[in-house]
Amino acid sequence: QSALTQPASVSGSPGQSITISCTGTSSDVGNYNLVSWYQQHPGKAPKLMIYEVSKRPSGVSNRFSGSKSGNTASLTISGLQAEDEADYYCYSYADTLEIFGGGTKLTVL
Amino acid sequence: VQLVESGGALVRPGGSLRLSCAASGFTFNHYWMHWVRQAPGKGLVWVSRINSDNFNINYADSVKGRFTVSRDNAKNTVYLQMNSLRPEDTAVYYCARDGGGLVPGLDYWGQGTLVTVSS
Repeated sequence: QSALTQPASVSGSPGQSITISCTGTSSDVGNYNLVSWYQQHPGKAPKLMIYEVSKRPSGVSNRFSGSKSGNTASLTISGLQAEDEADYYCYSYADTLEIFGGGTKLTVL
Repeated sequence: VQLVESGGALVRPGGSLRLSCAASGFTFNHYWMHWVRQAPGKGLVWVSRINSDNFNINYADSVKGRFTVSRDNAKNTVYLQMNSLRPEDTAVYYCARDGGGLVPGLDYWGQGTLVTVSS
């Protein structure tokens, strides 16, 4: 049950776009379209930002988008804003279990 | 929708603890529920899930055989019984709702409850 692989950190300037990758295996990310992404600010509970690879829950900005190719899912944030600075986690269904990525710290410069 | 965890405490290694998560604002018995934990300064780790009628339950390998998840739909509450606790179980424990067919993802979370395992 290894965690999905994410970069430890990414950064970008306000207005720019960044992409966070999430690499799993053919047993999780590659086999199901049940990848979701979560944003977590310090001391707060996580918040669902993307589900089923690319769908946004009501109320989530359309600056957030998701995609998947093979065993790798990606989260893209366009038009970076200061409030996007947070930790981001991918998450995948994997039949009898579910798996988070190790998390990526996004710094808005 | 509101999820409120309780039961976190300081416990000795080898001890036991039961966490509760009280749900409100939605039809509880229609949803799977999950437990997720986060050690201090570390990432999120999935712990367990339970389906709506207590019959489909899964655990992470790290807690299998030591933790037991259950739910009481009459009380709108999900529980996590934790036995044989280890220092590495120290974490904030969150319960989360699985949005199911409409929103398959953890769409609502509680505020978390801290479990500290230390002598």
